[in-house]
Amino acid sequence: KNEVEQSPQNLTAQEGEFITINCSYSVGISALHWLQQHPGGGIVSLFMLSSGKKKHGRLIATINIQEKHSSLHITASHPRDSAVYICAAGANNLFFGTGTRLTVIP
Amino acid sequence: DAGVTQSPTHLIKTRGQQVTLRCSPKSGHDTVSWYQQALGQGPQFIFQYYEEEERQRGNFPDRFSGHQFPNYSSELNVNALLLGDSALYLCASSWGSVGELFFGEGSRLTVL
Repeated sequence: KNEVEQSPQNLTAQEGEFITINCSYSVGISALHWLQQHPGGGIVSLFMLSSGKKKHGRLIATINIQEKHSSLHITASHPRDSAVYICAAGANNLFFGTGTRLTVIP
Repeated sequence: DAGVTQSPTHLIKTRGQQVTLRCSPKSGHDTVSWYQQALGQGPQFIFQYYEEEERQRGNFPDRFSGHQFPNYSSELNVNALLLGDSALYLCASSWGSVGELFFGEGSRLTVL
């Protein structure tokens, strides 16, 4: 069993839809990271959180420490949101999920 | 303010050779972490450097070694390359060992 599990692996949505990506982890954490990776490899950090909820524009990240679960929500999805979204959990040593490939269709 | 820069962006090596990858952290950051990302997989933690010392290491063999310089830049060295070492190597910097991560664009290594 992987230390970090993401679902779904692939997600296709129509523009404007509400998107949810889930992440479950089994390791102890000092923080959980949500990352966005575009084709070509570059990774951008979206959120780093250790409790509660964070919001940035149309993106919302929540974490439940007791249940070891986090969700990334995208409201009013747009084709430019198409990317791979990766959850990473841990402390100095981060464990990564395999990513969720999101495609938003105009 | 320059972000994290990595070099080279692409390189091709043959089995048995050695490779050195370089990373300059974001200005103000003191910690550099290295990751290996195989095609279609999530990144895997290789090691983390802080104050010129390896502070944490993932499940990688001793063929993978690194260094951090006084200016906080870092190198990743891989000896005796195997075909399975072909991957995207990502560097991320942070302020402190558990701070927000800023990633470079990666170095794509192909081993033939």
